Amino acid sequence: DGGITQSPKYLFRKEGQNVTLSCEQNLNHDAMYWYRQDPGQGLRLIYYSQIVNDFQKGDIAEGYSVSREKKESFPLTVTSAQKNPTAFYLCASSIEQDYYGYTFGSGTRLTVV
Amino acid sequence: KQEVTQIPAALSVPEGENLVLNCSFTDSAIYNLQWFRQDPGKGLTSLLLIQSSQREQTSGRLNASLDKSSGRSTLYIAASQPGDSATYLCAVDSNYQLIWGAGTKLIIKP
Repeated sequence: DGGITQSPKYLFRKEGQNVTLSCEQNLNHDAMYWYRQDPGQGLRLIYYSQIVNDFQKGDIAEGYSVSREKKESFPLTVTSAQKNPTAFYLCASSIEQDYYGYTFGSGTRLTVV
Repeated sequence: KQEVTQIPAALSVPEGENLVLNCSFTDSAIYNLQWFRQDPGKGLTSLLLIQSSQREQTSGRLNASLDKSSGRSTLYIAASQPGDSATYLCAVDSNYQLIWGAGTKLIIKP
């Protein structure tokens, strides 16, 4: 079955550490996205990529970095520069400009300890 | 700048009732609008997608409507069941970005 796989499901980060969240899709979608979800707030876009080797900053890109070396993969690194990283992170993909809608992964919950 | 609002933030109804969730947006220039469901600590499941040229979409007990001119969408759930308990999010595709509402947390009491 086609879909998006995010790993790990839970992640704990110590102060000053960089951590990388994995997102893999086998839907042959061109576009991939990373969102952050905080309680009581709508999802906010961190980064998005429409093609391989190209990505754009979203609304809250500071303290995050991404890469898109393969069509299937769009990993997100939460750097030590992100001062409040505890949140639920969702990866999504879509066909080009999401005409057919988005497909989401099951999310990664990141907690700073 | 597009803004999406969902009211109410939380709703609790007895099982079997029909209910309506609301979503409003400030800029009518949208490509589509989607309704999603999120179960606690999990990812999102797409429920219904309404293209900008459409007025409504139906899937089972769910019906979503779209009125671009007034900047409103509603999600109608018929004959609610305890399994419908979740947070419902609407998202507007505006200028190649999804803009999200904060969601409505729905509790269906048995």
